[in-house]
Amino acid sequence: EAGVVQSPRYKIIEKKQPVAFWCNPISGHNTLYWYLQNLGQGPELLIRYENEEAVDDSQLPKDRFSAERLKGVDSTLKIQPAELGDSAVYLCASSKSTDTQYFGPGTRLTVL
Amino acid sequence: GQNIDQPTEMTATEGAIVQINCTYQTSGFNGLFWYQQHAGEAPTFLSYNVLDGLEEKGRFSSFLSRSKGYSYLLLKELQMKDSASYLCAVIDSNYQLIWGAGTKLIIKP
Repeated sequence: EAGVVQSPRYKIIEKKQPVAFWCNPISGHNTLYWYLQNLGQGPELLIRYENEEAVDDSQLPKDRFSAERLKGVDSTLKIQPAELGDSAVYLCASSKSTDTQYFGPGTRLTVL
Repeated sequence: GQNIDQPTEMTATEGAIVQINCTYQTSGFNGLFWYQQHAGEAPTFLSYNVLDGLEEKGRFSSFLSRSKGYSYLLLKELQMKDSASYLCAVIDSNYQLIWGAGTKLIIKP
């Protein structure tokens, strides 16, 4: 069974530029999560989808971050414009409802 | 507020046993996870506890006491590849996963 797929793995951009991350969850997993993780810290939830509905986006900075999950499968997370403080690893995870979450390899974003 | 506490860093010797503790204060409880995360990689699932007691899985065991808001991860026969961060996470009453900051485990020969 294929795991969670994310791309790109690494991204370096200049501040004020836009950036987008893509995630393909494990087949059959209806719940999808986007997390942000800084070095030495645990993951911080940005948004949680159940199928195509965003059921928890309370921690998503909506002035610059947006996400979508069309057709309840793949998802895209976008930042526009990026700021220096957005440098972090962006993790995507999926699960069947509230079961164990399985993570993708993450995208390491560096904003210069 | 909700809080999960773990030691920031621990050091142990190859072949030994180490216990990583986790205490939590959350609004409700619907289970506790332990994840392993090697440097530069994504977290991988280790264990899940929802009832009190010890769950054993090979060299790794996880214990839960709901009345004390306490869990530990026990690693036996330590190997160099066990050097990683170990993350404790609790599902609260809203089925949100609350994460600890992780414990960095350093294994020395």
